[in-house]
Amino acid sequence: DTAVSQTPKYLVTQMGNDKSIKCEQNLGHDTMYWYKQDSKKFLKIMFSYNNKELIINETVPNRFSPKSPDKAHLNLHINSLELGDSAVYFCASSQGLGRADTQYFGPGTRLTVL
Amino acid sequence: GENVEQHPSTLSVQEGDSAVIKCTYSDSASNYFPWYKQELGKRPQLIIDIRSNVGEKKDQRIAVTLNKTAKHFSLHITETQPEDSAVYFCAASTNTGTASKLTFGTGTRLQVTL
Repeated sequence: DTAVSQTPKYLVTQMGNDKSIKCEQNLGHDTMYWYKQDSKKFLKIMFSYNNKELIINETVPNRFSPKSPDKAHLNLHINSLELGDSAVYFCASSQGLGRADTQYFGPGTRLTVL
Repeated sequence: GENVEQHPSTLSVQEGDSAVIKCTYSDSASNYFPWYKQELGKRPQLIIDIRSNVGEKKDQRIAVTLNKTAKHFSLHITETQPEDSAVYFCAASTNTGTASKLTFGTGTRLQVTL
């Protein structure tokens, strides 16, 4: 009964490749997020979607493109991977928008770019 | 935008002692302050949160205090146990009207020694 799940858990790839990370939540939440956690453990929001609509888009290179096919899924596609993209990427979800709701995190995807 | 500072970056206490982690925030519109615990290789998990209309909240050995005037909030863990060892993150949430955006502190690595 995993609430927020991500695949894959680990991703090792070469510079210049394109890769995707998938996220699914079964909590019935309306809002989903992508966070990046770097080697110093700093957690920073990248994107947020509410009911398939992009609502937060931080200063992220346009090589990163989120896609939400429905409100239970939020995928992250990364083009032309660079060494600096190596990090742990966390998906999260919360109940709604317009108020401060608890965010529940997925298990993370550790991306290593060689 | 919101800026959250967190101190100390590392904290070592003996089992049974108390631990205090402090955070300050910059945006007076922030209205929700969660604390997350992240064990090694795991996802951040919510341990306690406080909203701006409350000054203090307690849950067993964990308590959080909020001083809106000074724009700071603190996490207090009493009777620490080895399983409390982890990285703790504070966060502040600002309601943008279209989304609730969490800004995280830089984390505190808590080590509880026997």
